[in-house]
Amino acid sequence: AQSVTQLGSHVSVSEGALVLLRCNYSSSVPPYLFWYVQYPNQGLQLLLKYTTGATLVKGINGFEAEFKKSETSFHLTKPSAHMSDAAEYFCAVTVTGTASKLTFGTGTRLQVTL
Amino acid sequence: EPEVTQTPSHQVTQMGQEVILRCVPISNHLYFYWYRQILGQKVEFLVSFYNNEISEKSEIFDDQFSVERPDGSNFTLKIRSTKLEDSAMYFCAIGQGLNSPLHFGNGTRLTVT
Repeated sequence: AQSVTQLGSHVSVSEGALVLLRCNYSSSVPPYLFWYVQYPNQGLQLLLKYTTGATLVKGINGFEAEFKKSETSFHLTKPSAHMSDAAEYFCAVTVTGTASKLTFGTGTRLQVTL
Repeated sequence: EPEVTQTPSHQVTQMGQEVILRCVPISNHLYFYWYRQILGQKVEFLVSFYNNEISEKSEIFDDQFSVERPDGSNFTLKIRSTKLEDSAMYFCAIGQGLNSPLHFGNGTRLTVT
C-alpha cells in the first residue's frame, strides 16, 4: 500500500520568500504524485502532477515540484510567495491501475506574512 | 468554476437520520468518487464508481453508505443512519480515466448532532 508523509503541518513564510512544502511517499510500485491546494471554504484544486517523464513538473500559480526517486520525495516549491498563496496544501499518491484512488497526506497549512 | 457542483454546502442532521449528499458534474465523466475529511484530519478515500457500479471502496464505506447515479447525471452519497463520527466534509470528485487527475467539488460539510 502507498502512503504520503507531509512534514510540517504549518509553514509560515514572508511575502516574497521561497516556499518549500515537503512531501515524502512510500510505494512499492512507481507512483503517480499530485499536489492539491485547498483555499478556505473551497474544494481541492489540482496544482500539479507527476506521472512519467520529466521529473521537474510545473503547475499553476508559479508552483513546481521535483520527483526524486532516490529520496522518495516530491517537494513543492515556489520562488516567491504571494499573500494569495495562503491555503492548505495536500500531497497525494496513487499507483497505476487503481482508478485514481488517491492517498492523501495530512496537509500543510501555508501562512504568508507581510 | 468547479467542474462539479455539490449540494448542499452544509447539512446539519440528527444522529440516526438519513442524509443524501449530491454531486452534479458539469460535463460527462466516467469516474466518480467520494472522499471525506474529518476536521483536522487527512482527506480519505471512500468509494469509486464507474460504469454505474462501485469499482472500489474503503473500509470506511460500510453498509451504512451507498452511492448511485439515479438519473445518469447526479451522483449521490447516502448515509442511512448517521452517527456523530460521520461529521466531516464530504468531497465529490470526477475523473476521465484511470489515473487522470481528479477534479473536486467544493464539498458538503455534514454536521451530525
